[in-house]
Amino acid sequence: KAGVTQTPRYLIKTRGQQVTLSCSPISGHRSVSWYQQTPGQGLQFLFEYFSETQRNKGNFPGRFSGRQFSNSRSEMNVSTLELGDSALYLCASSPAGQLNEQFFGPGTRLTVL
Amino acid sequence: GENVEQHPSTLSVQEGDSAVIKCTYSDSASNYFPWYKQELGKRPQLIIDIRSNVGEKKDQRIAVTLNKTAKHFSLHITETQPEDSAVYFCAASYSSGGGADGLTFGKGTHLIIQP
Repeated sequence: KAGVTQTPRYLIKTRGQQVTLSCSPISGHRSVSWYQQTPGQGLQFLFEYFSETQRNKGNFPGRFSGRQFSNSRSEMNVSTLELGDSALYLCASSPAGQLNEQFFGPGTRLTVL
Repeated sequence: GENVEQHPSTLSVQEGDSAVIKCTYSDSASNYFPWYKQELGKRPQLIIDIRSNVGEKKDQRIAVTLNKTAKHFSLHITETQPEDSAVYFCAASYSSGGGADGLTFGKGTHLIIQP
């Protein structure tokens, strides 16, 4: 099976812009979670989607949003970018929501100038 | 919410020796505890996990122990090899039939294997 894929792998934006990142889960996986990784804060949970519904959300401002499509692919959007949004954004997929391991994609490296 | 503390932040061991990384968590409802290995520039990879109904789990040279009373869990790597050098993250989460909370990660341990 192909692993989790994310596009684009690298992105450079300027403050105030918005960005959309995409994640394709492992075939058959219906749960997709998003994480932000920075040197200072480490890995932090953004939100989780299952069957096109956001089930859980981390402690991030409303500028961070996401959605999931019927084929389980997911996108996350960050509006009004700030310098502090520069990070590696990782998505992870799980075969189900209950006590299952999460498999990570390679991430999208976002740089905000 | 859940809070996970991980120690040490850096661990240097001689090749062939054992390495132990420890984590504590705050939410007694957490019932799933995975460990991830992340090499430089790569994605986190699940190396082992343990659920709350189990006290210990082994997979070749790696093992994880869980003490729910004390709310701590540890990763043990025996006979360390150069390819074990990486950053290791512990995590905790709660899952039920209704869904799963996101993983709460520790800050990571940079494991260095000295030849």
